[in-house]
Amino acid sequence: GQQLNQSPQSMFIQEGEDVSMNCTSSSIFNTWLWYKQDPGEGPVLLIALYKAGELTSNGRLTAQFGTTRKDSFLNISASIPSDVGIYFCAGQLGSGGGADGLTFGKGTHLIIQP
Amino acid sequence: GAVVSQHPSRVICKSGTSVKIECRSLDFQATTMFWYRQFPKKSLMLMATSNEGSKATYEQGVEKDKFLINHASLTLSTLTVTSAHPEDSSFYICSAGRPNTGELFFGEGSRLTVL
Repeated sequence: GQQLNQSPQSMFIQEGEDVSMNCTSSSIFNTWLWYKQDPGEGPVLLIALYKAGELTSNGRLTAQFGTTRKDSFLNISASIPSDVGIYFCAGQLGSGGGADGLTFGKGTHLIIQP
Repeated sequence: GAVVSQHPSRVICKSGTSVKIECRSLDFQATTMFWYRQFPKKSLMLMATSNEGSKATYEQGVEKDKFLINHASLTLSTLTVTSAHPEDSSFYICSAGRPNTGELFFGEGSRLTVL
């Protein structure tokens, strides 16, 4: 089956620093999504990308859908304590029609040191 | 507020019993819902696609007789873990896609502990 390689696995940064994480796939996805999950809760959608090459921002978050449709990155600028959590990339074969399940990356655990 | 709601959020049961987890779409009608399983410190793994009015589609390696899925209405899908064993202990999460936009929403998750 498809696999998503997400890196880094964990990040220890200082408050105020920028963060960058990425996902690569062995196959093409038509939709890339980035989620954040807090302990004991379901994932919350941060950014959805539907078009190859698309660059989308949501506040301090910026994500891009790679032109090959096999990769995506997420940047967080000027990190703050509430950014702590686990970030997952997810790929979807469909084009946002809601009919396909997601393939998730293994997650990036973001830890912010005061 | 929550768009997709799961119940119960936590359940503890004895080995051999069956447990039902509900997933409700509160804001829209969902013909398709998805069930995921997540082990501690691991990623989410798709278990099955729940289709309203028809049989669920299970991912490879997921026992359909073990994890019974019923999607009887456009706003409710249930996952029943039958004859639960300790190795079934996990965090189960459902999601539903908003029909027009395709935006996927996740439930809060249900933590199952089998003693």
